[in-house]
Amino acid sequence: DTAVSQTPKYLVTQMGNDKSIKCEQNLGHDTMYWYKQDSKKFLKIMFSYNNKELIINETVPNRFSPKSPDKAHLNLHINSLELGDSAVYFCASSPVTSGAPRETQYFGPGTRLLVL
Amino acid sequence: GEDVEQSLFLSVREGDSSVINCTYTDSSSTYLYWYKQEPGAGLQLLTYIFSNMDMKQDQRLTVLLNKKDKHLSLRIADTQTGDSAIYFCAGAAGSSASKIIFGSGTRLSIRP
Repeated sequence: DTAVSQTPKYLVTQMGNDKSIKCEQNLGHDTMYWYKQDSKKFLKIMFSYNNKELIINETVPNRFSPKSPDKAHLNLHINSLELGDSAVYFCASSPVTSGAPRETQYFGPGTRLLVL
Repeated sequence: GEDVEQSLFLSVREGDSSVINCTYTDSSSTYLYWYKQEPGAGLQLLTYIFSNMDMKQDQRLTVLLNKKDKHLSLRIADTQTGDSAIYFCAGAAGSSASKIIFGSGTRLSIRP
């Protein structure tokens, strides 16, 4: 039943470590996204992929590298984690065909990252 | 670029109507959205409105769009405790429509 899933749900790690967050959608959508939500709940887009190709890359440090092995998966790898990376990271996907507007995004449950 | 603004907090009495307001800057937004985020959860699409519509009603939810003033509102009738959440207004940024810009979210709290 799960539409957009993320793993892990919680991630606690030390500064300087490298970690990955995985996202999978079973909706058949072509476009997937990564968002960062800070402690004030402000939600900002980081990356967007369409059919495994990068289409949006906001001002994000090079330590963040998305990877899309196929259109159902978009993973986020973070190198050399910093304290300021602590946030909730949301994956989302959007359809191409109508039924819903093209841009409508469906969100995963989020990954809560805490860097110590 | 697109900018979307909302007030941060709203408190209403249970059973009253809640009205959450939003202003946006990009007049080319094709669709405008309302998302709901409950504590510890992801964002859930509540409703959306096409930019050539003025109003959309869906059960207890009414969306009003004033395109001239670039103002969007969400009215929740007969507000219940389960409506406590953060509500995000969002608009598609430009004709490419692959990027949605979210407002800062309005935290709705319900008083007994």
